[in-house]
Amino acid sequence: GNSVTQMEGPVTLSEEAFLTINCTYTATGYPSLFWYVQYPGEGLQLLLKATKADDKGSNKGFEATYRKETTSFHLEKGSVQVSDSAVYFCALRSGNTGKLIFGQGTTLQVKP
Amino acid sequence: NAGVMQNPRHLVRRRGQEARLRCSPMKGHSHVYWYRQLPEEGLKFMVYLQKENIIDESGMPKERFSAEFPKEGPSILRIQQVVRGDSAAYFCASSPDHRGTGGNEKLFFGSGTQLSVL
Repeated sequence: GNSVTQMEGPVTLSEEAFLTINCTYTATGYPSLFWYVQYPGEGLQLLLKATKADDKGSNKGFEATYRKETTSFHLEKGSVQVSDSAVYFCALRSGNTGKLIFGQGTTLQVKP
Repeated sequence: NAGVMQNPRHLVRRRGQEARLRCSPMKGHSHVYWYRQLPEEGLKFMVYLQKENIIDESGMPKERFSAEFPKEGPSILRIQQVVRGDSAAYFCASSPDHRGTGGNEKLFFGSGTQLSVL
């Protein structure tokens, strides 16, 4: 069946460091891929998405490229800020509804 | 336009009691999804509803769990005879009508209900 695997956290970085959170997936067909972010005490917010191979999603300095050959959708940011501290979820959607399959989440802590 | 509203934020129940979780979707949204997040795990899909209809309940446990989304009022996730293993964060998400391309991707999540079973 379809699944998403993320690197385990927590990830602790200093401000302005480079961020990579790995995400790989298993799916039949051509899923859409997403990154969601959850700030403390809040619900999940869509951070970025990509709907087909080689697409690059980007938002707020974050980027992720849909790599079909490696079944990956790694999240990157060149310079993190303290305000980026949150839990990040990678997810896929294989149908045409809001039924998503999530990874287990990666906690990011950015220290000043 | 208020976001997806879930209440209560925290719910404490003793084993054997019933838990009712409410979700009011965003205005104009007719699709509701419920997800459960167990400790140290990602969100797991439970059920997808449109007004008065259950579309996909493949993630819902067969016993004790039920969901509804009536014509008027919020969506309700009901858990009967709760057990400790039901302790989790329950998230609701809504989306607008699925017509057109891309519309069905726009999921908006509530802040969740944290259920604790003593």
